[in-house]
Amino acid sequence: DVKVTQSSRYLVKRTGEKVFLECVQDMDHENMFWYRQDPGLGLRLIYFSYDVKMKEKGDIPEGYSVSREKKERFSLILESASTNQTSMYLCASRYTDRVNTEAFFGQGTRLTVV
Amino acid sequence: AQSVTQPDIHITVSEGASLELRCNYSYGATPYLFWYVQSPGQGLQLLLKYFSGDTLVQGIKGFEAEFKRSQSSFNLRKPSVHWSDAAEYFCAVGGVPGSNYKLTFGKGTLLTVNP
Repeated sequence: DVKVTQSSRYLVKRTGEKVFLECVQDMDHENMFWYRQDPGLGLRLIYFSYDVKMKEKGDIPEGYSVSREKKERFSLILESASTNQTSMYLCASRYTDRVNTEAFFGQGTRLTVV
Repeated sequence: AQSVTQPDIHITVSEGASLELRCNYSYGATPYLFWYVQSPGQGLQLLLKYFSGDTLVQGIKGFEAEFKRSQSSFNLRKPSVHWSDAAEYFCAVGGVPGSNYKLTFGKGTLLTVNP
């Protein structure tokens, strides 16, 4: 069974802390994504990676960075957490196959910055 | 730039009634289109997808969607809604894998089902 695992379901961090959100997929997918989900705003793409060590900015990359040292793992980093980064964070992965191309999502990490 | 518009933020239907959720997209080439559902506290689950062929696609849980290129639409339908369909629904557009990896989602439509 396909699986995308996010390391934490809930996190509470203090303003100014460096925060790491981890995501692991077991499907050998080339593409991985980080989205944030806020009420009324839907899913907004923060960063994505199309291969190991390769990354591209999404629509709202400010205040975030990412790391992909291994194919199965994609980390989102908040360099200095702020209260406006309180949100639900969703990781996804996707094949680059032309047929089986849907994204698979993790359960999400609800981050609260106080 | 690619984008998705879901015009309805919230829809309420009675159990047993038919349902149509609207989705309009903007994309410069042949799009890959998806509908996902999210139940409270859960991740997103794929309902169906379209990338070529028959413009009417069938998905899980009795859902279907029709791709209309002339209208840039990919509306989701179900003939008879069940109470368990109450959830948030997201439409997404993406490019051909290998050329454009980005997946863009709409803001979602929240479905409430009255008994």
